[in-house]
Amino acid sequence: GEDVEQSLFLSVREGDSSVINCTYTDSSSTYLYWYKQEPGAGLQLLTYIFSNMDMKQDQRLTVLLNKKDKHLSLRIADTQTGDSAIYFCAVPSSNTNAGKSTFGDGTTLTVKP
Amino acid sequence: NAGVTQTPKFRVLKTGQSMTLLCAQDMNHEYMYWYRQDPGMGLRLIHYSVGEGTTAKGEVPDGYNVSRLKKQNFLLGLESAAPSQTSVYFCASSYLGQGNQPQHFGDGTRLSIL
Repeated sequence: GEDVEQSLFLSVREGDSSVINCTYTDSSSTYLYWYKQEPGAGLQLLTYIFSNMDMKQDQRLTVLLNKKDKHLSLRIADTQTGDSAIYFCAVPSSNTNAGKSTFGDGTTLTVKP
Repeated sequence: NAGVTQTPKFRVLKTGQSMTLLCAQDMNHEYMYWYRQDPGMGLRLIHYSVGEGTTAKGEVPDGYNVSRLKKQNFLLGLESAAPSQTSVYFCASSYLGQGNQPQHFGDGTRLSIL
């Protein structure tokens, strides 16, 4: 099955850029997703990218997709303390029509003042 | 529009007790999912459903049962709770569309088995 890997922790200073990386093994899905989980809450969709794009920008967020290397990244510009959370990449399963996704283990982003 | 609602939010059980976690969605989504989240292990799919009256096993189904008698509800049951089932449980739903659509999550049920 699909394998999705992320580094577990990232620490940055307020105002710096954060880059969270994700690698996956196999996907032919239409979309790839980034979710954000704040303490005590469920996952919320943060952004997504179509598989036929290599970059998507949405205000402070930039998603880069390298399909050849099966690498997805999320860049947060001017990181704020409110960005501290766990970030999950999610890769939909290509061999099913059940809407299932494989989630990475999540990257805990800590933003220091 | 409440989205995905999970009840209860917290529960403490003794080993061997049974309970049912309820998930309700008001978005008319076809697909629903139950995950558990444990430290360092990300989200693991327990069971899922592609429509009313259907259920299927996910990655870690043992010790759990599910039912989807109504499209808006997805129930997760623990027949005989074990300490290994201490976890945070998340329900999610998504709609049938072109490509795999994003999942909408509830806020979780924190379950402790003593």
